[in-house]
Amino acid sequence: GQQVMQIPQYQHVQEGEDFTTYCNSSTTLSNIQWYKQRPGGHPVFLIQLVKSGEVKKQKRLTFQFGEAKKNSSLHITATQTTDVGTYFCAGSNAGGTSYGKLTFGQGTILTVHP
Amino acid sequence: DTGVSQDPRHKITKRGQNVTFRCDPISEHNRLYWYRQTLGQGPEFLTYFQNEAQLEKSRLLSDRFSAERPKGSFSTLEIQRTEQGDSAMYLCASSPIGSGELFFGEGSRLTVL
Repeated sequence: GQQVMQIPQYQHVQEGEDFTTYCNSSTTLSNIQWYKQRPGGHPVFLIQLVKSGEVKKQKRLTFQFGEAKKNSSLHITATQTTDVGTYFCAGSNAGGTSYGKLTFGQGTILTVHP
Repeated sequence: DTGVSQDPRHKITKRGQNVTFRCDPISEHNRLYWYRQTLGQGPEFLTYFQNEAQLEKSRLLSDRFSAERPKGSFSTLEIQRTEQGDSAMYLCASSPIGSGELFFGEGSRLTVL
């Protein structure tokens, strides 16, 4: 079945440094989503990417979807302590953009040292 | 707060007992999902409803697991004859038609002794 791999598993940064997490799927995806889970919390939706080569920005966060729609990345510029948490990518190979059966990566745990 | 709510938040049970979790989705969302998350892993898809119809079940969902959404509103997830391997966080999520964005609840943490 579909597998979604995410690296690195852990990332420790000093506040102000940049952070990137990478996601690779074993199959072509119809869309990819990113979620953030704070310690002790539940996953919270960040963004959905649908188009090949798509790039979206949310303030200090930049999301990319690969040309082959098999990989994605999340880059955070100038991390802040509020960025702490686990970042998950989640892919879908169902048709369209409206199906919520997602295969999640194992997540990247981000620690930010002040 | 009109987010997704789950009950109970924590459940400790002995192996072999049955447990039931309830999920109340966001009221205008007609899609409801159950996921399971173990420590250090991402959520794993279990099952999915559109209104009252259960449209897909994961192979992870053994015969001991059953989910219902009888009136297309709240949903229940029952685990019969629990095993220690069932210990996990059970997450419910909902979404409206036309959107793939999942709104997760706080989860129900199950510990099987």
